Amino acid sequence: QKEVEQDPGPLSVPEGAIVSLNCTYSNSAFQYFMWYRQYSRKGPELLMYTYSSGNKEDGRFTAQVDKSSKYISLFIRDSQPSDSATYLCLGGSSNTGKLIFGQGTTLQVKP
Amino acid sequence: EPEVTQTPSHQVTQMGQEVILRCVPISNHLYFYWYRQILGQKVEFLVSFYNNEISEKSEIFDDQFSVERPDGSNFTLKIRSTKLEDSAMYFCASSEAAGGWYGYTFGSGTRLTVV
Repeated sequence: QKEVEQDPGPLSVPEGAIVSLNCTYSNSAFQYFMWYRQYSRKGPELLMYTYSSGNKEDGRFTAQVDKSSKYISLFIRDSQPSDSATYLCLGGSSNTGKLIFGQGTTLQVKP
Repeated sequence: EPEVTQTPSHQVTQMGQEVILRCVPISNHLYFYWYRQILGQKVEFLVSFYNNEISEKSEIFDDQFSVERPDGSNFTLKIRSTKLEDSAMYFCASSEAAGGWYGYTFGSGTRLTVV
């Protein structure tokens, strides 16, 4: 079983829509989770960081972690065409610097 | 905003040649990483480096790979004898703390093409 799984999409939504991106993970040792955004031929850019279960909000972005179901979500409100990118979810544990990436979900926000 | 800088952005090399990929991490970061992304595949961990030594490495990081922080600012990845399957985007990253408590900052990557 892959440690972090994402639906690769592509996911296409109209501008202004609420976007829900989801991941599941299998490694119970994961303690922190991140969402990165990657534009084509660019490096990943940190969007959100969460530790353990709960919600975290930053502007139009909300990250949720449910450790009981090993489920990670990212919500984007009022989506913009500039949000079109690949969204990567990652898990990690405090005893290692290694991050485990999901496959990434490609999002397209149409004007 | 501080950046991780990688050079070159694109490198083409012949199979069997040595390549060195260079990175300048964020100046106050202490933990350094290399990841790679083969086209169409997920980003994969290669190695983490702290206090001038490797902290952890993946099974991909075999004897053909080495890392070095030669002068206190640069962080390099060397592939001794490149293979076709080494063609990928290589990302350098750095972080303030172990375990990524504040997230990792990634560079824009070096696209390595082995022909």
